Amino acid sequence: GDSVTQMEGPVTLSEEAFLTINCTYTATGYPSLFWYVQYPGEGLQLLLKATKADDKGSNKGFEATYRKETTSFHLEKGSVQVSDSAVYFCALSRGPVQGAQKLVFGQGTRLTINP
Amino acid sequence: GAVVSQHPSWVICKSGTSVKIECRSLDFQATTMFWYRQFPKQSLMLMATSNEGSKATYEQGVEKDKFLINHASLTLSTLTVTSAHPEDSSFYICSASWVRQLEQYFGPGTRLTVT
Repeated sequence: GDSVTQMEGPVTLSEEAFLTINCTYTATGYPSLFWYVQYPGEGLQLLLKATKADDKGSNKGFEATYRKETTSFHLEKGSVQVSDSAVYFCALSRGPVQGAQKLVFGQGTRLTINP
Repeated sequence: GAVVSQHPSWVICKSGTSVKIECRSLDFQATTMFWYRQFPKQSLMLMATSNEGSKATYEQGVEKDKFLINHASLTLSTLTVTSAHPEDSSFYICSASWVRQLEQYFGPGTRLTVT
């Protein structure tokens, strides 16, 4: 079945450091890929998405490129801030075909940024 | 837009009792709602998918008689944990979406503690 694997955390960086969180997936066909973020005490929020190979999703300085050849969707940010401290989830979906489709999540990576 | 609320945010109940958790879409009609369970420092596990007016579809290994899901309207789904036991203690998260929508919108979660 479909699966998503993320690099294990926790990850601790200093402010303004470069961030990479690795994500690879296993799925047949062409799933859509997502990064969700969960700030302390809050629900998950969509950070960015890509729906086909070579698409680049971007938001709030974060980027991720859908790489079909390496089945990857790594999250990057050039200069992190303390406010980026959160748990990041990589996910895939086969939808929508009919109705909303379920998401398959990676295990999550806890990121802490120190000032 | 696309705001999802959950109530209560935190509940403590005694072993053997039942507890109901509500998930509401505040500014859109949710044809599909998803219920997830999240263990500490772990990823989200999909429990079931519910479509408005239909019976919920449960994931393998999820006891449908223990976790009752009702999606009676386009803005409300409920999860009832029946005869709760300490091992049911967890963080329960709902998400909502609509037909042909790729994204899901998440509620803030409900922390259940069974004593």
